[in-house]
Amino acid sequence: NAGVTQTPKFQVLKTGQSMTLQCAQDMNHNSMYWYRQDPGMGLRLIYYSASEGTTDKGEVPNGYNVSRLNKREFSLRLESAAPSQTSVYFCASSGVSSGNTIYFGEGSWLTVV
Amino acid sequence: LAKTTQPISMDSYEGQEVNITCSHNNIATNDYITWYQQFPSQGPRFIIQGYKTKVTNEVASLFIPADRKSSTLSLPRVSLSDTAVYYCLVGALPNYGQNFVFGPGTRLSVLP
Repeated sequence: NAGVTQTPKFQVLKTGQSMTLQCAQDMNHNSMYWYRQDPGMGLRLIYYSASEGTTDKGEVPNGYNVSRLNKREFSLRLESAAPSQTSVYFCASSGVSSGNTIYFGEGSWLTVV
Repeated sequence: LAKTTQPISMDSYEGQEVNITCSHNNIATNDYITWYQQFPSQGPRFIIQGYKTKVTNEVASLFIPADRKSSTLSLPRVSLSDTAVYYCLVGALPNYGQNFVFGPGTRLSVLP
């Protein structure tokens, strides 16, 4: 019973490099989310996807792109990483099958130098 | 979206009951109230959810007054392992793809 799985768990990037964070859920959820959390701060929503084929901006979308590849997978891409994007990234999903609560992955620690 | 307000931090001692109150004055009719717990270096995890009155599970109780403009998470007899950040989240059913926004949370420190 994997729940929400994120990869990679840790990554160091140089400024200007690109990378994609992968996320997959096995709970048949319609909705998926990407959050970032800076040290000592709360979670901020980057993008979300209400259902397969749709994506919408959250609170802090600048510098990111997302793809809802299918119902299970939702990826987050940094096209040109900046030090300000150093953060912990959490993927999450929600749906009726989980009692309408949000389930989070374990997080991806990203450092941009 | 209903904005939430919680205390930034709270201290307690082991064995005490802890009550964390969240204000959400502009809660909508369809909104549920959900509380999450987050330990360092981990993703938040669901604690309890309610719509009105009182909800209790094996971990906590949630008290919601009739006007639903606030809610109180009650943790009975806390232990050191309850030291964490607690988030109050207000929004419509998640499967609608609602744009959920987490507030800053309440940092609970349980002292021996």
